[in-house]
Amino acid sequence: EAGVAQSPRYKIIEKRQSVAFWCNPISGHATLYWYQQILGQGPKLLIQFQNNGVVDDSQLPKDRFSAERLKGVDSTLKIQPAKLEDSAVYLCASSLSGWGYEQYFGPGTRLTVT
Amino acid sequence: GQQVMQIPQYQHVQEGEDFTTYCNSSTTLSNIQWYKQRPGGHPVFLIQLVKSGEVKKQKRLTFQFGEAKKNSSLHITATQTTDVGTYFCAGRDSGGGADGLTFGKGTHLIIQP
Repeated sequence: EAGVAQSPRYKIIEKRQSVAFWCNPISGHATLYWYQQILGQGPKLLIQFQNNGVVDDSQLPKDRFSAERLKGVDSTLKIQPAKLEDSAVYLCASSLSGWGYEQYFGPGTRLTVT
Repeated sequence: GQQVMQIPQYQHVQEGEDFTTYCNSSTTLSNIQWYKQRPGGHPVFLIQLVKSGEVKKQKRLTFQFGEAKKNSSLHITATQTTDVGTYFCAGRDSGGGADGLTFGKGTHLIIQP
């Protein structure tokens, strides 16, 4: 079974530039999550999708971050404009359906904002 | 909002010694999950606990969920070098509201051969 795919793996941008991350979850998983993991900390949930609808985006900085999950499969997370404090690893995870199921994480995208 | 705290932040042990990490939530949890993240890797699911007072074992790992469903622990017996990594607990507030899990900051396990 293929795992969660993410791209790119690494990205370096200057502050005020924009960046986009892509995630392809495990086939058949209805729930998709985007997390931000700052060095030395635990993953922080940014947004959760159930199929193509948003379940929880309470911690998403909506003035600069946006995410979509078209057709309930792939998802993209965008940052525009980026700030220095956005430097982190962005993890995508998927689960069969909702919080009661184990989450499978992708390898992550390491973003450095200079 | 909900807070999940883990202690200790770092734990150095000699190979063969036992290791325990503790997780405490500011609110009652509906469930708690444990994940392991190897250096440079991504979190990997270990287990989920749902019932009050639940205890589950996986070989040398023992997981407990407190009676009040506000705390949990992970105990590793006779650590091996393969146990190196950061162990995270993640819980969901049983009071409803946000559907997602809140992760603790993790306990970094360092093993000296």
